[in-house]
Amino acid sequence: EAGVAQSPRYKIIEKRQSVAFWCNPISGHATLYWYQQILGQGPKLLIQFQNNGVVDDSQLPKDRFSAERLKGVDSTLKIQPAKLEDSAVYLCASSSVAGSHETQYFGPGTRLLVL
Amino acid sequence: AQSVTQPDIHITVSEGASLELRCNYSYGATPYLFWYVQSPGQGLQLLLKYFSGDTLVQGIKGFEAEFKRSQSSFNLRKPSVHWSDAAEYFCAVGFSNDYKLSFGAGTTVTVRA
Repeated sequence: EAGVAQSPRYKIIEKRQSVAFWCNPISGHATLYWYQQILGQGPKLLIQFQNNGVVDDSQLPKDRFSAERLKGVDSTLKIQPAKLEDSAVYLCASSSVAGSHETQYFGPGTRLLVL
Repeated sequence: AQSVTQPDIHITVSEGASLELRCNYSYGATPYLFWYVQSPGQGLQLLLKYFSGDTLVQGIKGFEAEFKRSQSSFNLRKPSVHWSDAAEYFCAVGFSNDYKLSFGAGTTVTVRA
C-alpha cells in the first residue's frame, strides 16, 4: 500500500512570495489533515477535510493560507503572501474513517524556508 | 485548556539501556493517547495508541506505554534501545468532543554506542 505522498520536499522562497504544497493521501482515505510543524515544536493542525468538505479550519490563518481538496482525493495548501514565521515543515496526514480516532498516516512533509 | 506536556526536551541513552519518555496531559475526561516517532526527514509513524481497556499498551519496535489516570500520564518505555531508536518522539492526545490531535513539543532521543 502506497503511503501519503507530498511534494515538493523542500522549498525556499522570499517573504511576500507565494507557495503551494501538494498532498496525495492513501487511497480510499476519507479524512485528510494539514499540520504545521515549527522547529522545536510538535505538529499543529491547520485544517481537516472529510472527503472534499472542511471539518475544521479554526487554526488556519485565513488571511494568507488556503487549502482545497477537490474531488475528495488530493489536496493543495497555499500560502500567499509568505511571512518569515511561516518557515516550518508542513505535514499531510490521512485516515480511513471520518469522525473517529482512527490512526493518522503521515507523509514525509514539505520543509519551507522563508527568507 | 487542553494541553500535552513532554517534560524532557532531549534524552541521551546508551545502546542496550532502558528508555522512558514522559508525557502528561491536562483534560477533564478520558483522552485518546498516542505516541508517534519521527526520524530525520521522515513523517510521523504511530508507535502505539490507547483508547480504553488494559492500561498497558504494546506497540511496534518493542515499545510499550502505560496510561495512569491518577497521574494524567502516558509514559513510553523500551527495555533495551537500539541505535535505530534515535529519533524524535511525540506524545499526542485526542479528545472525545472532537477528533483533533494535540501534540507535545517532542523529546529527542540520542543513542550512544
